Amino acid sequence: SQKIEQNSEALNIQEGKTATLTCNYTNYSPAYLQWYRQDPGRGPVFLLLIRENEKEKRKERLKVTFDTTLKQSLFHITASQPADSATYLCAPHTGGFKTIFGAGTRLFVKA
Amino acid sequence: EAGVAQSPRYKIIEKRQSVAFWCNPISGHATLYWYQQILGQGPKLLIQFQNNGVVDDSQLPKDRFSAERLKGVDSTLKIQPAKLEDSAVYLCASSYRVDTGELFFGEGSRLTVL
Repeated sequence: SQKIEQNSEALNIQEGKTATLTCNYTNYSPAYLQWYRQDPGRGPVFLLLIRENEKEKRKERLKVTFDTTLKQSLFHITASQPADSATYLCAPHTGGFKTIFGAGTRLFVKA
Repeated sequence: EAGVAQSPRYKIIEKRQSVAFWCNPISGHATLYWYQQILGQGPKLLIQFQNNGVVDDSQLPKDRFSAERLKGVDSTLKIQPAKLEDSAVYLCASSYRVDTGELFFGEGSRLTVL
């Protein structure tokens, strides 16, 4: 069955460092993959979408890579700030245009 | 532009009771989704509508859950009768087209079943 794995442990980093979050998927080939941010008690908010023919996408301090051979996406936040503390959800799109979410990785950025 | 509206934000019921959640998507968005998010997990798709037709309801527990989207705009998700394991946040999302990817989520409706 289709499976999405994200770092189950929370990621703790110091302000100013680069945070790197991992998303691995198995048993399917998404046409594109999205990353969302979710704050406690709020709905997820879309951050970035990367297509299967794109290796890398950037938006301000965010960078996403998509390796269809490894079946993996990496999400980077450079020069991290305490305001970046949240849960980040990976969402590879499946055939039939269904969006399935990973469990998310909690990021804590210490000042 | 107004976002996705959901109500109620919080609901506490006893098991075997019924509950209904309402969602108003962003104007012009043809695709509407209901997700269930249990604490510590990612959102799980329950049902997806394209206009007022169902695209996918393969993970909707149809013996107790029902959803409708009348006139291709607002949607209601109902649970009857509720079980303890239905305690979760119910998230509604919409998108302009089914193949454009980006989903816009509401704030969610938190259900506690006692």
